[in-house]
Amino acid sequence: AQKVTQAQTEISVVEKEDVTLDCVYETRDTTYYLFWYKQPPSGELVFLIRRNSFDEQNEISGRYSWNFQKSTSSFNFTITASQVVDSAVYFCALSEGIVKTSYDKVIFGPGTSLSVIP
Amino acid sequence: ETGVTQTPRHLVMGMTNKKSLKCEQHLGHNAMYWYKQSAKKPLELMFVYSLEERVENNSVPSRFSPECPNSSHLFLHLHTLQPEDSALYLCASSQDISTRPSYEQYFGPGTRLTVT
Repeated sequence: AQKVTQAQTEISVVEKEDVTLDCVYETRDTTYYLFWYKQPPSGELVFLIRRNSFDEQNEISGRYSWNFQKSTSSFNFTITASQVVDSAVYFCALSEGIVKTSYDKVIFGPGTSLSVIP
Repeated sequence: ETGVTQTPRHLVMGMTNKKSLKCEQHLGHNAMYWYKQSAKKPLELMFVYSLEERVENNSVPSRFSPECPNSSHLFLHLHTLQPEDSALYLCASSQDISTRPSYEQYFGPGTRLTVT
């Protein structure tokens, strides 16, 4: 069974601090995909990144970076020099890449609510 | 319009009412999804459609009835709901439902539903 854990329910940081959001996943499959989504107060989830299980390279996109470590089943997300606009709920998600059903089911973690205080 | 749109944004309905939620995607995607997001709970997948064919009904009560007339539009028909059905209902689309690769989903802003 798949499972996604985001142990941090809520995090508060002061603007310009760096913050890391943790994500730990469980799967028995060797082929899978990991995602991060951002849900601002407006409600819609915004796709941030997709990573497949064969690509362990870390990724950087502006102030965002992701650290994928298969050895610890973690896919952590770091925001550097946080800004107030980063305040949102962040979801980590996992999907299997092997066909077991007719579609690819994505399991979302419970989310981490990030508040950036000015 | 761009992306995924949902109407209405807010809906208050009584337990005996019938209403429908509408979702439209302008991304040329083949797959569409309904999710339920309740306070303090993870996102719950409700339905999945691929090219207008339903491929998943995730043990959703029959008081929720989806309809997908074409690959751009998705409806969720609601009738005789319960107060515990109050939640944010999110629509999403993705390029396809294939598993290699697994495509990211694009979400609408959601409909905040309150059942009184």
